[in-house]
Amino acid sequence: GAVVSQHPSRVICKSGTSVKIECRSLDFQATTMFWYRQFPKQSLMLMATSNEGSKATYEQGVEKDKFLINHASLTLSTLTVTSAHPEDSSFYICSASDTGIGYTFGSGTRLTVV
Amino acid sequence: QQQVKQSPQSLIVQKGGIPIINCAYENTAFDYFPWYQQFPGKGPALLIAIRPDVSEKKEGRFTISFNKSAKQFSLHIMDSQPGDSATYFCAASKSGNTPLVFGKGTRLSVIA
Repeated sequence: GAVVSQHPSRVICKSGTSVKIECRSLDFQATTMFWYRQFPKQSLMLMATSNEGSKATYEQGVEKDKFLINHASLTLSTLTVTSAHPEDSSFYICSASDTGIGYTFGSGTRLTVV
Repeated sequence: QQQVKQSPQSLIVQKGGIPIINCAYENTAFDYFPWYQQFPGKGPALLIAIRPDVSEKKEGRFTISFNKSAKQFSLHIMDSQPGDSATYFCAASKSGNTPLVFGKGTRLSVIA
């Protein structure tokens, strides 16, 4: 079946630094990738949608300059949290989608900003 | 505006019981309705999904019932086991590679 690999699974960084999260579709080409954020005991909140080779579309309230999304190929999308602060600490999850495949989720990245 | 409303928020059942989780949606353009299971610290995993042209779909111990006129769908877990204890999310999306809209989730505990 379709597999999405997300790395790292956990990351701790200092306030003010940047963190990059990678999401790879291993056995299919992901036309579209989605990035979600999940706070403890809450649902997944869509942050942005990215199509290969295009600029990402961000949801209302999500700072595009803070959460940089790159989808340079059909198998790789990255989310960079720039100048991270403690309030950015959360669980970040990517999802890859393609026609006929449906939606496949990564295993998530627990970001802790200290 | 919450597009997909999920209930209950939490549910406790005895082993062997049949927990039922309900979702209601508002957007009639939705045509794909999946259910996901999520364990702590993990990403959501697809359990089962349905499209509006059928009223019920069964895969193993999981069954989706779909009522298009009422804009509601539900998940039934047959012969529930302690290993089914997790958070379950319903979701919906429109055709094409559009994002899933998630319900708020149901924390299920199956006790022996």
